[in-house]
Amino acid sequence: DSGVTQTPKHLITATGQRVTLRCSPRSGDLSVYWYQQSLDQGLQFLIQYYNGEERAKGNILERFSAQQFPDLHSELNLSSLELGDSALYFCASSVLAGALNEQFFGPGTRLTVL
Amino acid sequence: AQSVTQPDIHITVSEGASLELRCNYSYGATPYLFWYVQSPGQGLQLLLKYFSGDTLVQGIKGFEAEFKRSQSSFNLRKPSVHWSDAAEYFCAVGLYGGSQGNLIFGKGTKLSVKP
Repeated sequence: DSGVTQTPKHLITATGQRVTLRCSPRSGDLSVYWYQQSLDQGLQFLIQYYNGEERAKGNILERFSAQQFPDLHSELNLSSLELGDSALYFCASSVLAGALNEQFFGPGTRLTVL
Repeated sequence: AQSVTQPDIHITVSEGASLELRCNYSYGATPYLFWYVQSPGQGLQLLLKYFSGDTLVQGIKGFEAEFKRSQSSFNLRKPSVHWSDAAEYFCAVGLYGGSQGNLIFGKGTKLSVKP
């Protein structure tokens, strides 16, 4: 158990819908990362927050947005869902920003878009 | 742009045999290098990392990796594989010297272990 929690574990929804994925980082970690894992694209970085502020952005679609709240939990919002958004979404956390800091991964949220 | 290549999609080894998983990276400078393991239905767990210094690094579960700058490689090794090592292994690079912590992952190598 990494100490990072993600809810829900599974999510099944229809095209065009909007969903919210939630992540609680390890106690004391200030940085949160979101990654998407799909069969065709592999594991791709989406976005990073550090202490409530966006720190880095990767291949995140405009239909996707995220935020980190004052209690440091984070939410990833996916809207206008398409079949291709079906994937495993991981959240990771680290104490500080910067690649020197080990990232601890949550168990993921499996999103299925029908 | 930075990239990570894991040439082997799937490897099968016999239990007790040695293992080497290959990883090559493309980056302008020496990056931070990582190996993660993902068991079925699980998140990723860090096996080991290289930042600087000794190019042979030891990790958890008996794994080690060697950084070779001339070959831009960071191959993962284990002298004797156990059935519980069956999983998917990901090599990753991190931006050196920046405050951004995002990792760039390879496509992964799935390891199967024969009894």
